[in-house]
Amino acid sequence: GQNIDQPTEMTATEGAIVQINCTYQTSGFNGLFWYQQHAGEAPTFLSYNVLDGLEEKGRFSSFLSRSKGYSYLLLKELQMKDSASYLCAVKDSNYQLIWGAGTKLIIKP
Amino acid sequence: ETGVTQTPRHLVMGMTNKKSLKCEQHLGHNAMYWYKQSAKKPLELMFVYSLEERVENNSVPSRFSPECPNSSHLVLHLHTLQPEDSALYLCASSQETGEGYGYTFGSGTRLTVV
Repeated sequence: GQNIDQPTEMTATEGAIVQINCTYQTSGFNGLFWYQQHAGEAPTFLSYNVLDGLEEKGRFSSFLSRSKGYSYLLLKELQMKDSASYLCAVKDSNYQLIWGAGTKLIIKP
Repeated sequence: ETGVTQTPRHLVMGMTNKKSLKCEQHLGHNAMYWYKQSAKKPLELMFVYSLEERVENNSVPSRFSPECPNSSHLVLHLHTLQPEDSALYLCASSQETGEGYGYTFGSGTRLTVV
């Protein structure tokens, strides 16, 4: 079966750095996505990785290792507004998105 | 209006009611999706429409009935639901051939079945 694993919940301090990991086992791979979802709101696109390496976008970076079936989302200079759930998703060989259950990130002052 | 719009935002219905959830996308995408989101579970894909044709139905109970009147609109008809159907229902759209950009989601309808 296809599976995406990520921690259920993480806590970090305002101004700090946090890394949210995602491991996947899917039938084929056509890219990995990270989405942010604030409570009661739509998931919004954060990043896309299809080749190995690090993609940086402002305070957020995403890393992919296809050989290890592993990705992480790195959030720097954390702000209170970063409190949200972070969803990892992989496009399989049929270009369907397979989703993780999400990581709820709690930021403390 | 931009993006994906869903109505209503909240819905409470009895198990014998019939209601519909509506979705409209203003992005010119040619694929639309219905997802169910329950607490602490992955998003569950329910239906996929590509070019107004249903291309996927993931073993969803018949009490959920989708409709795609045109490429910009999606409807989910609900009837005789069960309490376990209470969840956030998300609509999404994508440019099916647009690899790398994933889906654009609406804000969802929070459904409570009583």
